[in-house]
Amino acid sequence: EVQLQQSGPELQRPGASVKLSCKASGYTFTEYYMYWVKQRPKQSLELIGRIDPEDGSTDYVEKFKNKATLTADTSSNTAYMQLSSLTSEDTATYFCARNWLYWGQGVMVTVSS
Amino acid sequence: DVVMTQTPVSMSVSLGGQVSISCRSSQSLVHNNGNTYLSWYIQKPSQSPQLLIYKVSNRFSGISDRFSGSGSGTDFTLKISRVEPDDLGVYYCGQGTQYPHTFGAGTKLELK
Repeated sequence: EVQLQQSGPELQRPGASVKLSCKASGYTFTEYYMYWVKQRPKQSLELIGRIDPEDGSTDYVEKFKNKATLTADTSSNTAYMQLSSLTSEDTATYFCARNWLYWGQGVMVTVSS
Repeated sequence: DVVMTQTPVSMSVSLGGQVSISCRSSQSLVHNNGNTYLSWYIQKPSQSPQLLIYKVSNRFSGISDRFSGSGSGTDFTLKISRVEPDDLGVYYCGQGTQYPHTFGAGTKLELK
């Protein structure tokens, strides 16, 4: 059974960074892109970017290029997303998703002083 | 980027009724390989989106045949028949033909 298990909720101060994780199981980690999606409260879904775990190559949506950094650790089958210079605009739920068929449960990031 | 426009924004339905949700894309979703990567999802409160339909009309594993997808090119429709309480939530269409993949704004399905 394919599962994507994301890390727990985060409360961060403005200006801080946070690293979210998404541990994959039930399939060969290197065979599928991992996508990361942002959903602000009561809003739609917004793609941040994707990573190919096989070679670590990434494709970012332009507006997130200076905000998010995607990495993947094939030894632990875990994808990561680091968000930097956090502002209130980064308060959202973040999902990882494998080729849009399987989704993590989401992690809520709250940025507040 | 491909813009996905969903209508209506919200709709009310009686249990047992039927609804249709429309999704239009700003560009054709036919990929160079001939496939059309248009999907439909439902998101219930505090849950992640759940795939219902992929490549326009293919039901994902375990999805009831009460859900059907149709369309081509830039116009697509999701139909839900014999609506059940578990069908209530926000429905999104999404395209995976052109990167970056994009989603519609959502259609909230509520009980009448």
